[in-house]
Amino acid sequence: KAGVTQTPRYLIKTRGQQVTLSCSPISGHRSVSWYQQTPGQGLQFLFEYFSETQRNKGNFPGRFSGRQFSNSRSEMNVSTLELGDSALYLCASSLGARGITEAFFGQGTRLTVV
Amino acid sequence: QKEVEQNSGPLSVPEGAIASLNCTYSDRGSQSFFWYRQYSGKSPELIMFIYSNGDKEDGRFTAQLNKASQYVSLLIRDSQPSDSATYLCAAGGYGGSQGNLIFGKGTKLSVKP
Repeated sequence: KAGVTQTPRYLIKTRGQQVTLSCSPISGHRSVSWYQQTPGQGLQFLFEYFSETQRNKGNFPGRFSGRQFSNSRSEMNVSTLELGDSALYLCASSLGARGITEAFFGQGTRLTVV
Repeated sequence: QKEVEQNSGPLSVPEGAIASLNCTYSDRGSQSFFWYRQYSGKSPELIMFIYSNGDKEDGRFTAQLNKASQYVSLLIRDSQPSDSATYLCAAGGYGGSQGNLIFGKGTKLSVKP
């Protein structure tokens, strides 16, 4: 069974640019969540998508947005990049049904803003 | 403000010993709790989850939950050098969803041969 796939694995962008990251969940999983991981703040929740709808949102500025497609694949977009956006961006997929379901992480996209 | 607190460590134990990792959470609405292991440069991998008070065992790992004290722990028996990693505690279940986990900053465990 294939795991969670994130592309690209590495990105270098210039301040002010925008970037789009992609996440393909485990087959059958309908929930995709995005997290930002930095050495100082740890893993922080960005947002969750379920059945193409944003179900939860963390405390990040509006420059961070996402969407989910009908096949459950998800994209995350960051506009007007800042140096502080340099981080490992992780997506996690889960069944998304009510009740306890485990979330499995992809390998992440390492974004460097210069 | 939902928070999960962990001692950053490093926690150093000899090979074969029991490693005890602890975590507290602030929101009594937290319904489920997860332990992830993260090796340097890798993504977190799920070890186990717990949502009922008491103990839950899976191989060498035992998770413990005390909702009254808002405390979660992970015991690793017969620790191996390959267990050396950062252990992340997460709380979830807000609004019935498991997709918005609140993570602690992790405890770094070092198992010495």
